[in-house]
Amino acid sequence: LAKTTQPISMDSYEGQEVNITCSHNNIATNDYITWYQQFPSQGPRFIIQGYKTKVTNEVASLFIPADRKSSTLSLPRVSLSDTAVYYCLVGDPLYNNDMRFGAGTRLTVKP
Amino acid sequence: DVKVTQSSRYLVKRTGEKVFLECVQDMDHENMFWYRQDPGLGLRLIYFSYDVKMKEKGDIPEGYSVSREKKERFSLILESASTNQTSMYLCASTGGTTEAFFGQGTRLTVV
Repeated sequence: LAKTTQPISMDSYEGQEVNITCSHNNIATNDYITWYQQFPSQGPRFIIQGYKTKVTNEVASLFIPADRKSSTLSLPRVSLSDTAVYYCLVGDPLYNNDMRFGAGTRLTVKP
Repeated sequence: DVKVTQSSRYLVKRTGEKVFLECVQDMDHENMFWYRQDPGLGLRLIYFSYDVKMKEKGDIPEGYSVSREKKERFSLILESASTNQTSMYLCASTGGTTEAFFGQGTRLTVV
């Protein structure tokens, strides 16, 4: 079973910042946290990955507190095209042969 | 660019047929995965493989088998297709990182 818990759905409006939180209470020492985005009729696409503190790329930021039992994906100034399902996974990159996705968070961005 | 290619975008099969879904990746990845996705259920892991001829059951292996005779190819087999196996099937691969690359998906309809 997936090792993470996320909200089932979220709504937002264009131009707002969206924060999606993921709980992973049993994260292991070697696990990294990875987020994916999925549009309808497509496979998921990698967004961002982190181990601790904060990671930022051109698409999103990932905030990870010191205890690493949760993480927050932050999408700045969302647009309609950010409407998608977002998945949080934890796993060891060295092995990474057990990738279980949960139900994800369905984000709907409204005009 | 990493490419994960699934042999068919759409398939229609009859109940009781043996069905083969093929997946090929061109980046020498060790790990390959098969998922099915149904509305509201996210991605569910059927089988994964971490090496040639090696396979591990995921969360829903019943009714499916897999084959990995070559590193680049991972096949999902429905031994006797049933209507409850109508779904979107997604293949993915990873190699040494937590970033997974997905194929475009195969929408299978069993009638």
